[in-house]
Amino acid sequence: GESVGLHLPTLSVQEGDNSIINCAYSNSASDYFIWYKQESGKGPQFIIDIRSNMDKRQGQRVTVLLNKTVKHLSLQIAATQPGDSAVYFCAETHGGGGFKTIFGAGTRLFVKA
Amino acid sequence: DADVTQTPRNRITKTGKRIMLECSQTKGHDRMYWYRQDPGLGLRLIYYSFDVKDINKGEISDGYSVSRQAQAKFSLSLESAIPNQTALYFCATAPSGVFSFGELFFGEGSRLTVL
Repeated sequence: GESVGLHLPTLSVQEGDNSIINCAYSNSASDYFIWYKQESGKGPQFIIDIRSNMDKRQGQRVTVLLNKTVKHLSLQIAATQPGDSAVYFCAETHGGGGFKTIFGAGTRLFVKA
Repeated sequence: DADVTQTPRNRITKTGKRIMLECSQTKGHDRMYWYRQDPGLGLRLIYYSFDVKDINKGEISDGYSVSRQAQAKFSLSLESAIPNQTALYFCATAPSGVFSFGELFFGEGSRLTVL
């Protein structure tokens, strides 16, 4: 069946260091991947996305890497800041429209000052 | 003001009671969703709607019903609440069209506790 899983439930990093959050997916038909950030008391918010015809995409301080061979997705956050503390979800979808979006369980990122 | 507004934000109720969670949006999106979030399980889709006359079950629809009263409003009902429906519920929207790839826009959540 379909599943999107995360390798680590929590990640603690020092402020200023780079963070890497990993995600595995099992549906080879997935064609679109999104990372969401969820701060305490709020709903998930879009961070960055990548389509299956790409292997890397960069945003502001964030980079998403996609390895279709091993069905692995990662989110890299450069120079992690206290405001980056949150739960991060990877999500995969196929066919568009969001109704086939499958979310991973989430990784909680702690940033130590 | 939030683009996707959920009410109530918090609710405590008793087993067997009927509960309605409401969602309204000002984003003009056609597609609306209800998700449930439980610790360690991510978000799971309950129901979704692509327009006013369209209602579809998600992966965990049992025990829930929905109503799409207008393009901007999508409500979730628990006809007879049970304790294992205690969770954080999110409404989300998405635009339709060829340039829509699946990004969801979430409300701030409704925390429901069933005693």
